[in-house]
Amino acid sequence: AQSVTQLDSHVSVSEGTPVLLRCNYSSSYSPSLFWYVQHPNKGLQLLLKYTSAATLVKGINGFEAEFKKSETSFHLTKPSAHMSDAAEYFCVVRLRSGATNKLIFGTGTLLAVQP
Amino acid sequence: AAGVIQSPRHLIKEKRETATLKCYPIPRHDTVYWYQQGPGQDPQFLISFYEKMQSDKGSIPDRFSAQQFSDYHSELNMSSLELGDSALYFCASSPRPLETQYFGPGTRLLVL
Repeated sequence: AQSVTQLDSHVSVSEGTPVLLRCNYSSSYSPSLFWYVQHPNKGLQLLLKYTSAATLVKGINGFEAEFKKSETSFHLTKPSAHMSDAAEYFCVVRLRSGATNKLIFGTGTLLAVQP
Repeated sequence: AAGVIQSPRHLIKEKRETATLKCYPIPRHDTVYWYQQGPGQDPQFLISFYEKMQSDKGSIPDRFSAQQFSDYHSELNMSSLELGDSALYFCASSPRPLETQYFGPGTRLLVL
């Protein structure tokens, strides 16, 4: 079965410092992985996606993630946090079963950015 | 760029009432998905449609039904509402099945 595990439910950083949000996946074949962000009282916005092309994926707002098969990880990083990055971040895997395109969400990581 | 539109954005109902949530996909997207996000929970897949046919089904209660219309918009019908149905309901669309899903802003349903 495919799943994702977000290792931290809460992460707090200071503005201007690096961000690391950790995600491990479980899959018997090469997965399609995504990071979505949800700002308070807002919808889900796609940050970036990995679909078996380049292992280092660049997304919007300066975020990037690296797919590491040996570590079954897909951690999200950003060199310098901004106050507007405060939100909840979901690591997501697409369930592959025939023609299905069901997304399985991790439990989310709440990112707080301190001034 | 056009995004997924959901209406209403907020809805308050009482127990045992019915509710209808609407979703208008991004133009030229023929696949629609519904997710439910309970308070403090991650989104859970409910159901999806491709070309007006149900393509996949998740943890959708029997009290709920959904359909996709000829203009590709979708409606989620919820009957005999329960307190536990209070949640944020997301609709997403993709150009075709197996492609990236783009989410709408959600409909926040409160059942009193």
